[in-house]
Amino acid sequence: QKEVEQNSGPLSVPEGAIASLNCTYSDRVSQSFFWYRQYSGKSPELIMSIYSNGDKEDGRFTAQLNKASQYVSLLIRDSQPSDSATYLCAVSARQLTFGSGTQLTVLP
Amino acid sequence: GAGVSQSPSNKVTEKGKDVELRCDPISGHTALYWYRQSLGQGLEFLIYFQGNSAPDKSGLPSDRFSAERTGGSVSTLTIQRTQQEDSAVYLCASSPDRYSGNTIYFGEGSWLTVV
Repeated sequence: QKEVEQNSGPLSVPEGAIASLNCTYSDRVSQSFFWYRQYSGKSPELIMSIYSNGDKEDGRFTAQLNKASQYVSLLIRDSQPSDSATYLCAVSARQLTFGSGTQLTVLP
Repeated sequence: GAGVSQSPSNKVTEKGKDVELRCDPISGHTALYWYRQSLGQGLEFLIYFQGNSAPDKSGLPSDRFSAERTGGSVSTLTIQRTQQEDSAVYLCASSPDRYSGNTIYFGEGSWLTVV
């Protein structure tokens, strides 16, 4: 089992819809959880961090964490074509471990 | 500099040659990571340096890969006897301390092509 797993996608949603990205992790001692966005040919950039169970909202982005289920998700409301990118889930335990990413395409 | 600096930005090398990739982290950052990203894939952890502690080398794929960090600052990733499967982007990142995933900064990467 991979340490961090994401739904592999690719995921396509129409403009204005909600995009839902999911991630599970295996290391129960994980304390910090992150979502990074990576445009093609660019380095990852942090968009959300979450540390405690529940929801965390930042603009159109909502991160959800459930430590009991070892599950973290990212919702993007009112998706825009500029949101088209690969989204990487990252979990901090012994070191910062990334999932393989989910490619999102928002169709105009 | 203001950000994480990596060099070279692009490297084409012949199979069997050795390559060195350099990372200059943000000044004062004690944590330094190397990741590898193959085309269309996620980030594969390679090695992690934290201050003066022994590095976490658990992600290095083979003994052809090694890394060092001199003086707690600049790091060099060395790949010996390169193979075509080593072709990837090698990303370096730094952060102020170990658990600062929210303040981890990536360099622009070194794109390695082995022909």
